[in-house]
Amino acid sequence: DAGVTQSPTHLIKTRGQQVTLRCSPISGHKSVSWYQQVLGQGPQFIFQYYEKEERGRGNFPDRFSARQFPNYSSELNVNALLLGDSALYLCASSPGLAAQETQYFGPGTRLLVL
Amino acid sequence: DQQVKQNSPSLSVQEGRISILNCDYTNSMFDYFLWYKKYPAEGPTFLISISSIKDKNEDGRFTVFLNKSAKHLSLHIVPSQPGDSAVYFCAARSMTGRRALTFGSGTRLQVQP
Repeated sequence: DAGVTQSPTHLIKTRGQQVTLRCSPISGHKSVSWYQQVLGQGPQFIFQYYEKEERGRGNFPDRFSARQFPNYSSELNVNALLLGDSALYLCASSPGLAAQETQYFGPGTRLLVL
Repeated sequence: DQQVKQNSPSLSVQEGRISILNCDYTNSMFDYFLWYKKYPAEGPTFLISISSIKDKNEDGRFTVFLNKSAKHLSLHIVPSQPGDSAVYFCAARSMTGRRALTFGSGTRLQVQP
């Protein structure tokens, strides 16, 4: 079975531009979460979606937005890119929102902002 | 404010010996803990988890211990193998609150053949 997939794998943008990252969850999983991992740190939570509704948001500015589609895939959008947005963006999926469910991660999209 | 801390950025052990990775947390609302392993150019891979009603969970070569009073958990790998060389992340969440994971900064494990 396919795991979590993300596209693109790598991306280079310049300051001020906008970017859209895509994620397809494991088949049957209805929850998708997004994390940002800056070099040398652990992943930081950005958003969680379940059944197309936002269920959680981390401490990120409004330049960050996301949505989930009827097929449970998801997009993360970042507007007005800053140099500090350079990071690995990870998507994770889980079957639902049960307390002891494991989140399974994709390989990530590495974004470089110049 | 780091709510999950991994104070050792790196650890080196000999093949066949025990690897012990440590993690501390400050948020008393955390009651479910996970360990992930990450290789370069890959996403984190789930290893093992433990809820706060237990103090130990074992899965093959991997054992996680939880000391709630000290807000400390550790991952033991016995015996360590060269393929275990990776960055290990401790993560925590509240079972009653938001399902988002709070991660530590990771420990790079190097297992020497």
